Amino acid sequence: DAGVIQSPRHEVTEMGQEVTLRCKPISGHNSLFWYRQTMMRGLELLIYFNNNVPIDDSGMPEDRFSAKMPNASFSTLKIQPSEPRDSAVYFCASSFRQGGNYGYTFGSGTRLTVV
Amino acid sequence: AQSVSQHNHHVILSEAASLELGCNYSYGGTVNLFWYVQYPGQHLQLLLKYFSGDPLVKGIKGFEAEFIKSKFSFNLRKPSVQWSDTAEYFCAVQGNNDMRFGAGTRLTVKP
Repeated sequence: DAGVIQSPRHEVTEMGQEVTLRCKPISGHNSLFWYRQTMMRGLELLIYFNNNVPIDDSGMPEDRFSAKMPNASFSTLKIQPSEPRDSAVYFCASSFRQGGNYGYTFGSGTRLTVV
Repeated sequence: AQSVSQHNHHVILSEAASLELGCNYSYGGTVNLFWYVQYPGQHLQLLLKYFSGDPLVKGIKGFEAEFIKSKFSFNLRKPSVQWSDTAEYFCAVQGNNDMRFGAGTRLTVKP
């Protein structure tokens, strides 16, 4: 199993540009989560999906952020337009939700730098 | 709403010292509890988890944690740390749906 795959690993972009982060969850997992990690705020849950449907996006900081999951094997997190304060490491995680007990597997993250 | 508190922001120990990292949570229902470790420049990896049963759970690399329901705590312990344990440690609480993380505790082990 290749695990949760995120791309790109690193992204440097100029303020105002559109940024798209990608995630491929573990095959068979039915839940997907996007987290953002910064020194100041730690790990924040941005949004999560169950069976490709967004369940809770209350953690998405602004309308500039959007996430999609068109199918069970792919999700994107888009920032448009990007700002320097969006610089962070963005993690995707997936899990197989069965009953109430399930753990997450995290991807390696995308380090985003907005200059 | 769920919340997770990790009391120690940065812990510095010498090799062979014992470790205990505090974690308290706030949640009104049944929870699952986790500790994750993040080595420098890497992603989060699961150390151990508690779903039910024996409140003392053992994880990888000699780590263990004890769930004390009355105290809403899930402290992480290791009897003797190694230099390779230098990392950031995150406590996490999972309620009905999502998982919330504490702010993390950075552990530095001096050789």
